Amino acid sequence: AQSVSQHNHHVILSEAASLELGCNYSYGGTVNLFWYVQYPGQHLQLLLKYFSGDPLVKGIKGFEAEFIKSKFSFNLRKPSVQWSDTAEYFCAVILSNTGKLIFGQGTTLQVKP
Amino acid sequence: DAGVIQSPRHEVTEMGQEVTLRCKPISGHDYLFWYRQTMMRGLELLIYFNNNVPIDDSGMPEDRFSAKMPNASFSTLKIQPSEPRDSAVYFCASSLRGVETQYFGPGTRLLVL
Repeated sequence: AQSVSQHNHHVILSEAASLELGCNYSYGGTVNLFWYVQYPGQHLQLLLKYFSGDPLVKGIKGFEAEFIKSKFSFNLRKPSVQWSDTAEYFCAVILSNTGKLIFGQGTTLQVKP
Repeated sequence: DAGVIQSPRHEVTEMGQEVTLRCKPISGHDYLFWYRQTMMRGLELLIYFNNNVPIDDSGMPEDRFSAKMPNASFSTLKIQPSEPRDSAVYFCASSLRGVETQYFGPGTRLLVL
């Protein structure tokens, strides 16, 4: 069955540290890839997405992600985190032949001021 | 656009009672999704509709759960009878075409006592 795996469940960083959250998916076909963020008590918001083209995509709030097809990965990065980035981050995949969005289990990011 | 609208935002009920959650998708979107989020199981897709027709309800936990979409601007998720293990946040999302970005509503936080 198709699945999405996020390597880190809980990450704690100090402000200004660099961030990389890992995401791998298991599906050999064409996929659309997403990172969503959920701030405490709020709904999911789109950070960035990849459908095709340049595998390095830039999103809101200084986030970026790189799609590496050979590794089935879509890792999220930010060079310098802020306290306001404290949230839960979800990687998600839509298979090209369905409308089903498959989520990873999420990574909780805590940024210490 | 107002985004995806859900009501109520919070619901507290007693075991055995009927619960109805409501969702208004973004105007023009032809896909609607219902998700459930819990600490233990993360984000789970319950059911999704395309042009008001249920496409995949394999995620619906059991017969106590039912969902309808009588028209393009309204959907309901009903739990009858409710049980404490149904306590969760229920999100509705919509998209324009199934493989495009899904936009999430604010969620309904359900507590079944």
